[in-house]
Amino acid sequence: AQRVTQPEKLLSVFKGAPVELKCNYSYSGSPELFWYVQYSRQRLQLLLRHISRESIKGFTADLNKGETSFHLKKPFAQEEDSAMYYCAPFFYGGSQGNLIFGKGTKLSVKP
Amino acid sequence: NAGVTQTPKFQVLKTGQSMTLQCAQDMNHNSMYWYRQDPGMGLRLIYYSASEGTTDKGEVPNGYNVSRLNKREFSLRLESAAPSQTSVYFCASTPGPFRANYGYTFGSGTRLTVV
Repeated sequence: AQRVTQPEKLLSVFKGAPVELKCNYSYSGSPELFWYVQYSRQRLQLLLRHISRESIKGFTADLNKGETSFHLKKPFAQEEDSAMYYCAPFFYGGSQGNLIFGKGTKLSVKP
Repeated sequence: NAGVTQTPKFQVLKTGQSMTLQCAQDMNHNSMYWYRQDPGMGLRLIYYSASEGTTDKGEVPNGYNVSRLNKREFSLRLESAAPSQTSVYFCASTPGPFRANYGYTFGSGTRLTVV
């Protein structure tokens, strides 16, 4: 079964500290992988996608196929990074692919 | 450039009442989706429409119906609202069912409370 796990509900760090938000998935194939971010009471926004290997707002994510993980990292957290982060693999299947969201990790960056 | 527009933004219903949540996109996207967001549960897919004229159930379809009115509009209907349907509802769209690399564009959400 397709499944995505974000083990931490809440992650609290101080400004300037490194951040790693964990994401693990289970899938027999190779999904497309995304991270979405939701700032307080705003709509979800695409943060980054693994296929483009981009860095957005200082965040990066590396796909580890062996561990089936796609952890989100930032070397120095900023207060404006406080938000809800969702890992979202896109699974292909049959006539339709679907984006499956993890339960999310709330990142709180303290001054 | 509006993107994905949802109406209303807030709604309070009494148990048993019905209502329709509206969603429209102006990006010429083929695929549209309805999600609900609950604390500790993340986003769960209710229904989706891969293309105009098709709709399919997602993970949590019970108690909901959808209509893909045309390429732009995808509505979600609650026929008899229940307190368990208190949630924030998000509509999303993407260029096509397999165009995941473009990402999903989300609306701003409808906060629904059923009392």
